Amino acid sequence: ETGVTQTPRHLVMGMTNKKSLKCEQHLGHNAMYWYKQSAKKPLELMFVYSLEERVENNSVPSRFSPECPNSSHLFLHLHTLQPEDSALYLCASSQGLGGSDTGELFFGEGSRLTVL
Amino acid sequence: AQSVAQPEDQVNVAEGNPLTVKCTYSVSGNPYLFWYVQYPNRGLQFLLKYITGDNLVKGSYGFEAEFNKSQTSFHLKKPSALVSDSALYFCAVRGGNTGGFKTIFGAGTRLFVKA
Repeated sequence: ETGVTQTPRHLVMGMTNKKSLKCEQHLGHNAMYWYKQSAKKPLELMFVYSLEERVENNSVPSRFSPECPNSSHLFLHLHTLQPEDSALYLCASSQGLGGSDTGELFFGEGSRLTVL
Repeated sequence: AQSVAQPEDQVNVAEGNPLTVKCTYSVSGNPYLFWYVQYPNRGLQFLLKYITGDNLVKGSYGFEAEFNKSQTSFHLKKPSALVSDSALYFCAVRGGNTGGFKTIFGAGTRLFVKA
C-alpha cells in the first residue's frame, strides 16, 4: 500500500486511440505530479499541480493532456500517441511545494503504456 | 543547470558485504537530497533524505547516506547487503537556489546482491 493508486496498471493502445490514466492519492497532500520513466533514461518530470492548479508543464507534447479536478485526483489524457511514448508513467504526490514541506515524493505503482 | 550524477549503471556485491551506491550533484545553494528505491514493476519508494544537520542520515531497511558538502556527494550505504536489496536506486535533489519545488533524479544505479 503506497497511498497513491494508479489505474490501469497496464495499457496497450493504438496511435489513434484516446485513453486516460488515473491517479488517486489518499495522503491528504496538496501537490501531484506526472513523471515518465523510459528505459535507460532519467525520470522526466511532465506536469506538476498544486492545489489543483498546474504550476509546471515541462515542454510536454500536446498529445498528453493533464487534468486535476481536485487535490486527490490526477488524470493524464492520451490521444494520437506515438510508439516512442511507450513508457512507465508514474504519478506522485507531496505534502506541498515548499516552505515546511521537505519534499519527499510518494509514488504510485505506475501505468505501463505500450503504443502500437 | 541542476544535475544529479550516478556514475555507476550497476553495482554488484555479495550478500553480507557492505555496499555503496554513489551520487554527486551539481546544485547551487542548499538543496534537499534524497534516495529512492524501485523494485521490479513497482513505483519508487522513498528511502531517506538529507535536509540539514548531521551528515549521516539513516533511512529504511538499514540504509544510510553520507552527505559531503565539499565533494557535493550523497552516497548511499549499507553495512551488510541482502539479496532482497537488489533493485534500482535513484538519487534525487530538490530545491537549492534555483530548483524550487522540482525534484531532479539521477539516471539510477542497478544493485545486484549475490547470495
